[in-house]
Amino acid sequence: GAGVSQTPSNKVTEKGKYVELRCDPISGHTALYWYRQSLGQGPEFLIYFQGTGAADDSGLPNDRFFAVRPEGSVSTLKIQRTERGDSAVYLCASSLGSVNTEAFFGQGTRLTVV
Amino acid sequence: GESVGLHLPTLSVQEGDNSIINCAYSNSASDYFIWYKQESGKGPQFIIDIRSNMDKRQGQRVTVLLNKTVKHLSLQIAATQPGDSAVYFCAEKNSGANSKLTFGKGITLSVRP
Repeated sequence: GAGVSQTPSNKVTEKGKYVELRCDPISGHTALYWYRQSLGQGPEFLIYFQGTGAADDSGLPNDRFFAVRPEGSVSTLKIQRTERGDSAVYLCASSLGSVNTEAFFGQGTRLTVV
Repeated sequence: GESVGLHLPTLSVQEGDNSIINCAYSNSASDYFIWYKQESGKGPQFIIDIRSNMDKRQGQRVTVLLNKTVKHLSLQIAATQPGDSAVYFCAEKNSGANSKLTFGKGITLSVRP
């Protein structure tokens, strides 16, 4: 596609439920990033993939959060036992490489936990 | 801890004037910097980047200045237009093993007609 695509655009879930958020990066981009953005704040780093492997997952807040990128393209962010504090916009970005190349962001998935 | 931050939370300018948005960073190892623009309900949009071997870079109506001595970054927008109204973020990266972008909190630019 022309840009980074994220689905769904909005997700409302009940506390304690499991959710999956999907990211389709720009074709050919080897680096993929997940960020979380709360209202009025800058994006907060969660995890970074180079190819299929997670090169840096230091931003994942706890073990309820997990992300995969099995074929080095599409990535899924998985959140177990969701909590109200998980409510935020989850942003995905991709770039051609990992060193000093611009990252393009998707529109984000707005997750609301009720 | 290390952080990237902005001096002012909001900036209001008259249409047609020039805008200057400032950013301070504290990680002296950062060697790549990006300015992003984010409109309501959208993801951050790349504006311009600069590497640490440069102190100035120009784009279309935008200029980024980097002062490594005082760890300061600025974005200048010439002839500000209503479409420039958005939240602006500076972000920094250390191009070593850890390639994550660290964002500041953002500044809102409001353009008065």
